[in-house]
Amino acid sequence: DQQVKQNSPSLSVQEGRISILNCDYTNSMFDYFLWYKKYPAEGPTFLISISSIKDKNEDGRFTVFLNKSAKHLSLHIVPSQPGDSAVYFCAASQHPGYALNFGKGTSLLVTP
Amino acid sequence: DARVTQTPRHKVTEMGQEVTMRCQPILGHNTVFWYRQTMMQGLELLAYFRNRAPLDDSGMPKDRFSAEMPDATLATLKIQPSEPRDSAVYFCASGLVRLAGVVAKNIQYFGAGTRLSVL
Repeated sequence: DQQVKQNSPSLSVQEGRISILNCDYTNSMFDYFLWYKKYPAEGPTFLISISSIKDKNEDGRFTVFLNKSAKHLSLHIVPSQPGDSAVYFCAASQHPGYALNFGKGTSLLVTP
Repeated sequence: DARVTQTPRHKVTEMGQEVTMRCQPILGHNTVFWYRQTMMQGLELLAYFRNRAPLDDSGMPKDRFSAEMPDATLATLKIQPSEPRDSAVYFCASGLVRLAGVVAKNIQYFGAGTRLSVL
């Protein structure tokens, strides 16, 4: 059973606007959450992470929000750029360094 | 520029043949993961090692898959015999996990993957 869910397979956003990618999880033992970005024919690359002791983490244009009570996290990209077009995977683990449980990904298209 | 190297990048084989995929983790990383990506299941864990010792291989079909780390610079994933349902992209990832009680990012760095097609 899928413990990490990304319910939107795709998202299209205009350049300069905000992209919001959502992720839900079911396992309350998850303690550490990450977002990975993937281009075709490449492996996923780390984007940003957050531990369960925080509710927000920011890195440049990327911000991850965590709502533990709702078991929900989101990735905000502001402003969106065409180079951000990729598949974004949400991932979770019970501890940093443990194996990751991935969502199925959301394909983001940023149009000029 | 340190990176995880996977070989081969592509493999086409016939059902019943043995397949070996190799991974060179980033030098100094002590944890190696094998993941498989399919359209149906997405990215799922097959096995992982810490300091070359297997920690979890519950995601692997035991009768046909095996994963090993002959040394710290090489991880292998073997399928024997291969079946069409094994067709997928197989990713290796490595990370440096510190177990001293300090919460660190412990990021996993992924290779480019091996795309396997079993006919």
